[in-house]
Amino acid sequence: NAGVTQTPKFQVLKTGQSMTLQCAQDMNHNSMYWYRQDPGMGLRLIYYSASEGTTDKGEVPNGYNVSRLNKREFSLRLESAAPSQTSVYFCASSDRGRKTEAFFGQGTRLTVV
Amino acid sequence: SQQGEEDPQALSIQEGENATMNCSYKTSINNLQWYRQNSGRGLVHLILIRSNEREKHSGRLRVTLDTSKKSSSLLITASRAADTASYFCATDGRDFGNEKLTFGTGTRLTIIP
Repeated sequence: NAGVTQTPKFQVLKTGQSMTLQCAQDMNHNSMYWYRQDPGMGLRLIYYSASEGTTDKGEVPNGYNVSRLNKREFSLRLESAAPSQTSVYFCASSDRGRKTEAFFGQGTRLTVV
Repeated sequence: SQQGEEDPQALSIQEGENATMNCSYKTSINNLQWYRQNSGRGLVHLILIRSNEREKHSGRLRVTLDTSKKSSSLLITASRAADTASYFCATDGRDFGNEKLTFGTGTRLTIIP
């Protein structure tokens, strides 16, 4: 099993450009999450999805949109990138019903210049 | 603001010593989890403790939970150089409808050979 797969691994954007970060999991999990990690800030929740067709805001949703395309895929879109969105982005999934551990992708390192 | 706060922010110890890190959180929880992150990688789940448990062991790991103080501790015994990493606590909300999995700011552990 691949677990949680994120693409791309690295990306450089110019201010104002848009892009979509892709995430897919093959564990049949209900819940999926997007986090950003900045130095000294730990992981901050951007958006999460408890099930297919539902999404909710986390701590830092401004400047982002998400789509839970199906049970497997949860994408994060930056419509107009800003330097403040330079960060490492992690996608994760978990089995909501059993309240067990979350599995993480390897991260996307995004730089906005 | 983030749900969890780890203490200390950074810890350096000699190989073979025990490492203790603490986590405090703000709201009632179902579970508390600890994760490990090696530099530049995704997070890996270490251990989960439920709100009705007080202590749990897994190999060289010992986790305690005090729900009255809203705090948890992670003890790593007989540390090894390979334990060098950042450690995060994570909590999920008590209400079934609250699916957020939120993380603390992390403790950066360095084991000196």
